[in-house]
Amino acid sequence: DVKVTQSSRYLVKRTGEKVFLECVQDMDHENMFWYRQDPGLGLRLIYFSYDVKMKEKGDIPEGYSVSREKKERFSLILESASTNQTSMYLCASSGGVRGQPQHFGDGTRLSIL
Amino acid sequence: GNSVTQMEGPVTLSEEAFLTINCTYTATGYPSLFWYVQYPGEGLQLLLKATKADDKGSNKGFEATYRKETTSFHLEKGSVQVSDSAVYFCALSSGGSNYKLTFGKGTLLTVNP
Repeated sequence: DVKVTQSSRYLVKRTGEKVFLECVQDMDHENMFWYRQDPGLGLRLIYFSYDVKMKEKGDIPEGYSVSREKKERFSLILESASTNQTSMYLCASSGGVRGQPQHFGDGTRLSIL
Repeated sequence: GNSVTQMEGPVTLSEEAFLTINCTYTATGYPSLFWYVQYPGEGLQLLLKATKADDKGSNKGFEATYRKETTSFHLEKGSVQVSDSAVYFCALSSGGSNYKLTFGKGTLLTVNP
């Protein structure tokens, strides 16, 4: 089974801090994704990566950056955390073949105080 | 662009009732279609998928048939259980970026004993 592991289930940070969310997958997948999930808004794509060191903006990239130095690891960075970034963050990975599903981690519930 | 519309929740049923959650889509090309389930406090899990017209995906008693003529992928289960209480997401991947998913807003299902 595919395993996508997010480093923290719960995280509390302060406004203005630089925050790192880490995600690791064990299936040698080419593609990795970061979403945020908010009540009433569903899942929104922040960034995705289709190869090492390659990234593309999703629907809501403002205030975030990403890093993919190794194929198995994809990091989401909040450059200067703000209270409106309080949310559930979900990481996912998938292979590069048509029709392959994305596999999700358990999520990180991030609170910015 | 791609879009997914699924029935608004919440949906409340009694145990052993029949479940239908409607999902319709707009997509370029020939999309692959997915249903994901999210149990409380967890990430998304793939429930079932279909990659071409008239395919039926099935898993854990749930079924959905890819209907190209009506651009639909409705989720059904003949007899729901309390343990099926969760949020259900319909999603598609299509077009040049066939590894990106477009999600519906999700439907909360509550099954009472």
